[in-house]
Amino acid sequence: EIVLTQSPGTLSLSPGERATLSCRASQSVSSSHLAWYQQKPGQAPGLLIYGASSRATGISDRFSGSGSGTDFTLSISRLEPEDFAVYYCQHYSSSSGVTFGPGTKVDIK
Amino acid sequence: QVQLQESGPGLVKPSQTLSLTCTVSGPSVNNGGYYWSWIRQHPGKGLEWIGYIDFSGSTYYNPSVKSRVSISIDTSKNQFSLKLSSVTAADTAVYYCARQTGYYYYAMDVWGQGTTVTVSS
Repeated sequence: EIVLTQSPGTLSLSPGERATLSCRASQSVSSSHLAWYQQKPGQAPGLLIYGASSRATGISDRFSGSGSGTDFTLSISRLEPEDFAVYYCQHYSSSSGVTFGPGTKVDIK
Repeated sequence: QVQLQESGPGLVKPSQTLSLTCTVSGPSVNNGGYYWSWIRQHPGKGLEWIGYIDFSGSTYYNPSVKSRVSISIDTSKNQFSLKLSSVTAADTAVYYCARQTGYYYYAMDVWGQGTTVTVSS
């Protein structure tokens, strides 16, 4: 079973700052199967990044994903007020199914 | 434009079966390129994948609920459904349905708005 760990649990930043979120897998995983989601209060999650680094349709280029193996990163270059939310990484494998990380909350400092 | 909408009772009694339906507007659930998934979120907590079904009716469930869960598909209504038996208060959550690409990336690109289910007598 693959376990995803996200850090930090909470990231307190100001608008305009850069955010760097980490997702670590318990074993090496395929980058193609690693995605990131954003969830705002009272809303369903929305796909941000798929294949570790490809932005989903309509997603701002302020969002970027990178990584391979066990370590993946979501970066937000300049935080806008609408970016303060919870971010989840997710992995799929044919043997374990779908796994979500516990999430990182980005809140306003 | 693809849209997903969950429906079902908001209140279920303990030991009973939770039943939810996700209606898909847009592409047919028969489309071989997608898995149709259920995810839940306990109050104030993270996301928990429940399981998915593909166009052929093949299913894959989270081991944590596998003994109690069933996902089915109704191509005539373009819907897929979730049944979770023997519910307890621990099954109280917001339940989401989602479309997951069934090849290469396997990301969930379209989500329903979610429906809150409370288990209480």
